[in-house]
Amino acid sequence: EDQVTQSPEALRLQEGESSSLNCSYTVSGLRGLFWYRQDPGKGPEFLFTLYSAGEEKEKERLKATLTKKESFLHITAPKPEDSATYLCAVHPRGTYKYIFGTGTRLKVLA
Amino acid sequence: DAGVIQSPRHEVTEMGQEVTLRCKPISGHNSLFWYRQTMMRGLELLIYFNNNVPIDDSGMPEDRFSAKMPNASFSTLKIQPSEPRDSAVYFCASSAPRAGEETQYFGPGTRLLVL
Repeated sequence: EDQVTQSPEALRLQEGESSSLNCSYTVSGLRGLFWYRQDPGKGPEFLFTLYSAGEEKEKERLKATLTKKESFLHITAPKPEDSATYLCAVHPRGTYKYIFGTGTRLKVLA
Repeated sequence: DAGVIQSPRHEVTEMGQEVTLRCKPISGHNSLFWYRQTMMRGLELLIYFNNNVPIDDSGMPEDRFSAKMPNASFSTLKIQPSEPRDSAVYFCASSAPRAGEETQYFGPGTRLLVL
């Protein structure tokens, strides 16, 4: 069964304290893995798409990496404005469905 | 592009009333998804349209829920009659897989409260 698990559920960091969020997945074949950021009261905002193991993408303080079993979202020197829920989703081959994880709630303290 | 547009942004109604949620996908996107998000269950796919045709509605909770997509630029999700357990945030998302755009782009959501 296709499955996505995100960890930790919640994370508190001091400003400038780098860390990583994990997204473990089980799919029969991966068409794409997506990271989204969701602020309270808003829709998920697209961050990155990764298609194959070894691929990396960066945007400001965020860097997403992908292996055959998991993806990491690395946050370098986070700022309070990085506080949000980060969602991971996988798109299995042969299906239109996207399977979302339950997210990691990140709080960055000033 | 204005992105995915949803209306209303907030809806408060009483149990038994009909509720209609609206969505305008990104121009050129031929896939449209309706999701429901709650604290308990996270994001749940309700229905998927491709080229205006409903492909999979297995996520629709029950017959009280219905969705239409009369053209490429408009979709509705209707709940009739509404119940308190329908209270959630409803998102619409669109993508263009045929054009190589696999990413789903989400609207701002409709926050529904059924009293």
